[in-house]
Amino acid sequence: EPEVTQTPSHQVTQMGQEVILRCVPISNHLYFYWYRQILGQKVEFLVSFYNNEISEKSEIFDDQFSVERPDGSNFTLKIRSTKLEDSAMYFCADRDRAAEQYFGPGTRLTVT
Amino acid sequence: QKEVEQNSGPLSVPEGAIASLNCTYSDRGSQSFFWYRQYSGKSPELIMSIYSNGDKEDGRFTAQLNKASQYVSLLIRDSQPSDSATYLCAALSGGYSTLTFGKGTMLLVSP
Repeated sequence: EPEVTQTPSHQVTQMGQEVILRCVPISNHLYFYWYRQILGQKVEFLVSFYNNEISEKSEIFDDQFSVERPDGSNFTLKIRSTKLEDSAMYFCADRDRAAEQYFGPGTRLTVT
Repeated sequence: QKEVEQNSGPLSVPEGAIASLNCTYSDRGSQSFFWYRQYSGKSPELIMSIYSNGDKEDGRFTAQLNKASQYVSLLIRDSQPSDSATYLCAALSGGYSTLTFGKGTMLLVSP
């Protein structure tokens, strides 16, 4: 069964640096999402992406964040000028026709 | 503000017992609901979805939805130690199907 994959599994970066988190969704799905989970807290929606455009974004998803689908398969989340509070697990998810969302394994981002 | 509320637990049950997990939601516009299981340090894994009032059974799992009471529950029959995890309730809303999650209930199944 196809799965969502994410790279890297763990990223350590210094405050103020840019990071790019990558996701490969299941190929025939059309809706893609990024969520994050700060340690010990709930999973929070960041942004949804449909038809190569942002369809919805949360208050968390400010100008520091951007998403792209550069080559029709990979789906990236870029965080510019990272802050300590950006340390979290970042999950990519995609949605099938039944509106069920499947999560990738996540990228643990540590900002020092 | 859309909220999904869950008791954080832990809920402790002996092996073989029924575990009952509950969730309430605030947005009456939510139409679909999901239960995810999350092991420590891992990503959420979808175990059940429910879209209409009533019960839905899948193996040892039964999801229940009551839209009038804005209440969702998950029953796990014949609980196993491998079921020990945090169970996340999520409500789907919006045209592009964003999920609002609860904080999760930790389930501990003792042998």
